[in-house]
Amino acid sequence: DGGITQSPKYLFRKEGQNVTLSCEQNLNHDAMYWYRQDPGQGLRLIYYSQIVNDFQKGDIAEGYSVSREKKESFPLTVTSAQKNPTAFYLCASGVGDEQFFGPGTRLTVL
Amino acid sequence: AQKVTQAQTEISVVEKEDVTLDCVYETRDTTYYLFWYKQPPSGELVFLIRRNSFDEQNEISGRYSWNFQKSTSSFNFTITASQVVDSAVYFCALSEAGNFNKFYFGSGTKLNVKP
Repeated sequence: DGGITQSPKYLFRKEGQNVTLSCEQNLNHDAMYWYRQDPGQGLRLIYYSQIVNDFQKGDIAEGYSVSREKKESFPLTVTSAQKNPTAFYLCASGVGDEQFFGPGTRLTVL
Repeated sequence: AQKVTQAQTEISVVEKEDVTLDCVYETRDTTYYLFWYKQPPSGELVFLIRRNSFDEQNEISGRYSWNFQKSTSSFNFTITASQVVDSAVYFCALSEAGNFNKFYFGSGTKLNVKP
């Protein structure tokens, strides 16, 4: 089946630790995105990548880092510099003006 | 400035009622795209519709219909004869021509459909 997978679905992290969220797509899309969603709010763009080995900051990139070594993969690292990392993280891939979303990872910092 | 406004935070209806979710957007571009997504409790965003700025025809898909009015910068979504399975958070989003990587999402409207 074609689609976007994110793992894990739930993630717990101790304060001060870095953690990496996985995002894989087999839709052959060039563009991939990471969004953060907080309760009662819309999605905010963290990073996006239009092509392999290239990515740009979104609106709330501070405390996050990404890599795009393969077309299929766009992992997001939440670093200890992110002051309030507890949130729901959604990955998307797209072509043209359309975006398709993965199931999300819920990160909780203990 | 906020690009997409969904003023209704939460709406509750009884099954079989019709319900309209409001979306007002702001853009200076003449070419842009509007979207509606559904987010069920599982969390994944489900694409519902995409509409470009040059197509103001209303669209109907089963129990769903969309009313796009450029004069009022609105793109409202109506569910006819609502069902419990329609309970979800619904997001309206805007992307601007030449800047398709950026989606501007509204804050969402939570729809509760009670049996």
